[in-house]
Amino acid sequence: RKEVEQDPGPFNVPEGATVAFNCTYSNSASQSFFWYRQDCRKEPKLLMSVYSSGNEDGRFTAQLNRASQYISLLIRDSKLSDSATYLCVVNPRYGGSQGNLIFGKGTKLSVKP
Amino acid sequence: EPEVTQTPSHQVTQMGQEVILHCVPISNHLYFYWYRQILGQKVEFLVSFYNNEISEKSEIFDDQFSVERPDGSNFTLKIRSTKLEDSAMYFCASMGDFTGETGELFFGEGSRLTVL
Repeated sequence: RKEVEQDPGPFNVPEGATVAFNCTYSNSASQSFFWYRQDCRKEPKLLMSVYSSGNEDGRFTAQLNRASQYISLLIRDSKLSDSATYLCVVNPRYGGSQGNLIFGKGTKLSVKP
Repeated sequence: EPEVTQTPSHQVTQMGQEVILHCVPISNHLYFYWYRQILGQKVEFLVSFYNNEISEKSEIFDDQFSVERPDGSNFTLKIRSTKLEDSAMYFCASMGDFTGETGELFFGEGSRLTVL
């Protein structure tokens, strides 16, 4: 089983749509979770951390289900500028300083006018 | 806004040649990383570096790879004898301190290595 699995997409949605990305991870001892965004041929950039209680940042909502080892990202009212690849990222240890980040392959989102 | 800077942006080399990729992490950061991304593939951890030594490395980071922090600002990745499969985008990243769950890695724009 792959360490971090994501639907590769692409997801093609119209502006204003709501889109959801899912991710599963294999290491039940994983401690912290993130969504990164990567534009074509650019570096990954942190979108948001994912907390056990779920968290929201504007149009973005992240959820974590430790029992199912499942992470989600919801984007509401999608904009053209949301077009990118969304990377599910897991830290198998507490704090990035002690371990490496495990990246999923990413889900590509394309928002059309 | 402080940023991680990497040079060169693109390097083309012949198989078997040595390559050094350069990174200047954010100035007050303590933890440094190299990741790579083969075209169309996922981002993969190579090595982490703290307090002037490697703190962790992946199985990709074999004897052909080395890292160095020669002075207070630079952080380099050396590939001793490049292979075709080393062709990838190499990302340097840094983190400020141990902030636990919310620690954020800041990535440079990457150095694209093409091995012919």
